[in-house]
Amino acid sequence: QKEVEQNSGPLSVPEGAIASLNCTYSDRVSQSFFWYRQYSGKSPELIMSIYSNGDKEDGRFTAQLNKASQYVSLLIRDSQPSDSATYLCAVTPTGNQFYFGTGTSLTVIP
Amino acid sequence: GAVVSQHPSWVICKSGTSVKIECRSLDFQATTMFWYRQFPKQSLMLMATSNEGSKATYEQGVEKDKFLINHASLTLSTLTVTSAHPEDSSFYICSARVPPGDTIYFGEGSWLTVV
Repeated sequence: QKEVEQNSGPLSVPEGAIASLNCTYSDRVSQSFFWYRQYSGKSPELIMSIYSNGDKEDGRFTAQLNKASQYVSLLIRDSQPSDSATYLCAVTPTGNQFYFGTGTSLTVIP
Repeated sequence: GAVVSQHPSWVICKSGTSVKIECRSLDFQATTMFWYRQFPKQSLMLMATSNEGSKATYEQGVEKDKFLINHASLTLSTLTVTSAHPEDSSFYICSARVPPGDTIYFGEGSWLTVV
C-alpha cells in the first residue's frame, strides 16, 4: 500500500465551481500535511499546510484534515482557469521523510 | 515563503559527460535537502535525502555512484550526474526543509537533456 494516495484524475470543473481534491495516507503517526500545486513543466509550490484536525482556510483554499480517518482534502472555491494544475498531497511523520502522492490533475473549464 | 534556488534551469550535455546541478537556500539554513527526479507526466520520485555534513541517504534503486550528492554547507547541496546517458534526461528538482518546522520548499527545477 502506498504511503499517500490520490485520485490521479483528471478532475474537470467549470469556472466558478468548487474543486474538491482528496488524499489518504497510511501512516497513523503522520503529523504534518501539505498541499502543493505543480504547473506543467514547473516545480511544485506550497499552497497550504495543516497540522490539526478540522478546516484551515486561506483565501479561496480550504484544507481539511481528519486524522481518525486518515484523510486530508483541499477545496478550491470559485475555481479559475489559472488553478488548472496538478495538486500534490504530502505527508510527513518526522520532517525528515516526506511522502508525496502521485498528484491529481485539475482542469478548470472557462 | 522561503526561497530555494536551483541552477542551471536548463542544461544539455553530451552522453558520457558529467553535469552538476546546484541547490541553494537563499534566506535560511537548510540542514536537510531532498533531490527528486520527474519524467514528463509522471509523479515526483525521491532520489535521495541530503543532510549537511553527512552522506546522503539514497532511495532504493538509485545508484549512488552515478548520482553524487554533496551537502557541504547549510545553504548548498549539489547533485552530479556522472557519465550521463540519454535515459538520464529528466526534470531534476531539489527541495529544502525550513527549520525549525517541517515545511519544505522546492527549487525551480533543472531540465537535463543528454544527447
